[in-house]
Amino acid sequence: NAGVTQTPKFQVLKTGQSMTLQCAQDMNHNSMYWYRQDPGMGLRLIYYSASEGTTDKGEVPNGYNVSRLNKREFSLRLESAAPSQTSVYFCASRLGVRYSYTFGSGTRLTVV
Amino acid sequence: DQQVKQNSPSLSVQEGRISILNCDYTNSMFDYFLWYKKYPAEGPTFLISISSIKDKNEDGRFTVFLNKSAKHLSLHIVPSQPGDSAVYFCAVQETSGSRLTFGEGTQLTVNP
Repeated sequence: NAGVTQTPKFQVLKTGQSMTLQCAQDMNHNSMYWYRQDPGMGLRLIYYSASEGTTDKGEVPNGYNVSRLNKREFSLRLESAAPSQTSVYFCASRLGVRYSYTFGSGTRLTVV
Repeated sequence: DQQVKQNSPSLSVQEGRISILNCDYTNSMFDYFLWYKKYPAEGPTFLISISSIKDKNEDGRFTVFLNKSAKHLSLHIVPSQPGDSAVYFCAVQETSGSRLTFGEGTQLTVNP
C-alpha cells in the first residue's frame, strides 16, 4: 500500500535547466493533482487531471507542463527553471469529486 | 483574490485544552469542506470533512463546525495533545468543482 509516490524527494537545479517531477498512485484513483507550497501562501494548484486523458490548468500554471501518462502516473515538467519555482511540490490523487485527496510526501525543489 | 482565508498564521495552546482553528470563505457555491494536517517534511493528511447540508461533524477528538450564513468553518480539537502540533489547512470545493482550494494554513503548537 504505497499510496502516492513522488520522485525525486529533493532536487537542486540551475536557472534554465529542465526537469520532470514524477508521481504515481496505486489506489486506482481517477483524479490527480499538482500543488506547490510556499510560505504563507498555502497550497496552490498548478495543474490537474480530473480523469485519464484530460488535463486542466490551475491557479499557477505558468512555467509548467503536465502529462497524464496513464491512470496511475501524472508528471510535472519544468522546461526552463526559474528561481521563482523554488518550492515544495505535492502530488495528490482521489477517487472522485466527493472524496478527499491522498498526498505524496513532496519534492523539495531549489532553483539557483 | 483569496477565496479561502485562515487569518491566524499560528496558534499556541496548552495540552489538554481546546484548540480552535478558523477558516473563512467568500464563495457561497462552496459546498464541501475539509481539514488537513501537515507535519514537517511530510505530505498533508486528511483529517475530517463536512458537506453543506450539515453544520457539525465529529470524529473522536476532532469536530468541524460550518456556519453557512457567516461563510465560516472551524475545527475544534479537544483535548489537545502535543502530537497535534502541525500545520492545519482548510480546503473547500464548489458544487460543480473538480478540485480543492486551500487556505494559507495555521501552525498549531500544543505545549506539554
